Amino acid sequence: ETGVTQTPRHLVMGMTNKKSLKCEQHLGHNAMYWYKQSAKKPLELMFVYNFKEQTENNSVPSRFSPECPNSSHLFLHLHTLQPEDSALYLCASSQEGGANVLTFGAGSRLTVL
Amino acid sequence: GQNIDQPTEMTATEGAIVQINCTYQTSGFNGLFWYQQHAGEAPTFLSYNVLDGLEEKGRFSSFLSRSKGYSYLLLKELQMKDSASYLCAVRDGDYKLSFGAGTTVTVRA
Repeated sequence: ETGVTQTPRHLVMGMTNKKSLKCEQHLGHNAMYWYKQSAKKPLELMFVYNFKEQTENNSVPSRFSPECPNSSHLFLHLHTLQPEDSALYLCASSQEGGANVLTFGAGSRLTVL
Repeated sequence: GQNIDQPTEMTATEGAIVQINCTYQTSGFNGLFWYQQHAGEAPTFLSYNVLDGLEEKGRFSSFLSRSKGYSYLLLKELQMKDSASYLCAVRDGDYKLSFGAGTTVTVRA
């Protein structure tokens, strides 16, 4: 596989469930990101990891918990979410330095009932 | 936060030209990006401008004026497959990247 792969592509969960989103990049990049995309709104940066270390937490509620076990994998653990958390969650990776272009995954479409 | 504005929607005819404007107000500047996102798919990188002027890449061109806080993406010889959302993103002086809400372009036959 190449690029950035996200699973699952679609997820429906209740407010009391616990689930996880997974992201894997095969590009040898050293930075990984979680973004939230809601309809008609700008992409919102949630978390940044650089060389497995979290370098940014953009005031995200604690019901979202990221995990980066190595520079190729990134998880977003979800628990006690709210209906307003329903959105497309995009993972991206980049190579720090230069233009630092982001390569995105196709996203995980989350619906919270 | 940063302020990035782009039109919500644009419609054009196949074979025509469309220009998508993006204006921004940021603290410092370290580059402007354009991404294309088809419905249900990942955003993909189109162009990067850090110096003033026009960058041409096939049917797509991107222009930047740092003094005016302004960029545009020019799509020439429109094809049906160009129907997508186009995202403008700006990196500020702290190297933080902020996105606009995107412009949905619809190409009609």
